[in-house]
Amino acid sequence: GAVVSQHPSRVICKSGTSVKIECRSLDFQATTMFWYRQFPKQSLMLMATSNEGSKATYEQGVEKDKFLINHASLTLSTLTVTSAHPEDSSFYICSARDFLSAAQPQHFGDGTRLSIL
Amino acid sequence: AQKVTQAQTEISVVEKEDVTLDCVYETRDTTYYLFWYKQPPSGELVFLIRRNSFDEQNEISGRYSWNFQKSTSSFNFTITASQVVDSAVYFCALSEQTNTGNQFYFGTGTSLTVIP
Repeated sequence: GAVVSQHPSRVICKSGTSVKIECRSLDFQATTMFWYRQFPKQSLMLMATSNEGSKATYEQGVEKDKFLINHASLTLSTLTVTSAHPEDSSFYICSARDFLSAAQPQHFGDGTRLSIL
Repeated sequence: AQKVTQAQTEISVVEKEDVTLDCVYETRDTTYYLFWYKQPPSGELVFLIRRNSFDEQNEISGRYSWNFQKSTSSFNFTITASQVVDSAVYFCALSEQTNTGNQFYFGTGTSLTVIP
């Protein structure tokens, strides 16, 4: 089945550090990838939709300058949390679809647990 | 309005009991897709099943079964003879095709604890 790799799985760093998270589709091309944030015991919150070769589409309330998304190829999207602060601590998870059809399930990476001290 | 409602926030059952997780969705589209995902404590999301709006046939996969009823806009998930390894958060999701692409909506999830 479709495989999505997300790296790193866990990050602990000091406040003010910028953190980059990578999301790769390993066995398919993903023109669109999605970035979610999940707080403890809560549902997934869509942050942005990442489109290969164009600017990401951010959901309302998500700071574009805070969460930089780059989708440079059909298999890689990156999320950079710039100047991270403790309130940015969360579980971040990416997903991708084989192609943009409502019929296709989203395939998820294993997530990145970000802890800002 | 919530597109996907999972009214059960947390459920606890004793091992070997059957348990049903409810999912109610809302859509005006005639063509749409429903999904269930499992999120174990380790955090990764595992795709379990997809159902399209034209196929109301119930599906069974081992101890898992799904009951899709368009008349009540429900897509319920039943685990038979539950096991400790079934402990996880389960998400129901709806996918709609729109003029500008498609939208994917998750429910708030149901946390299932299977007690040994």
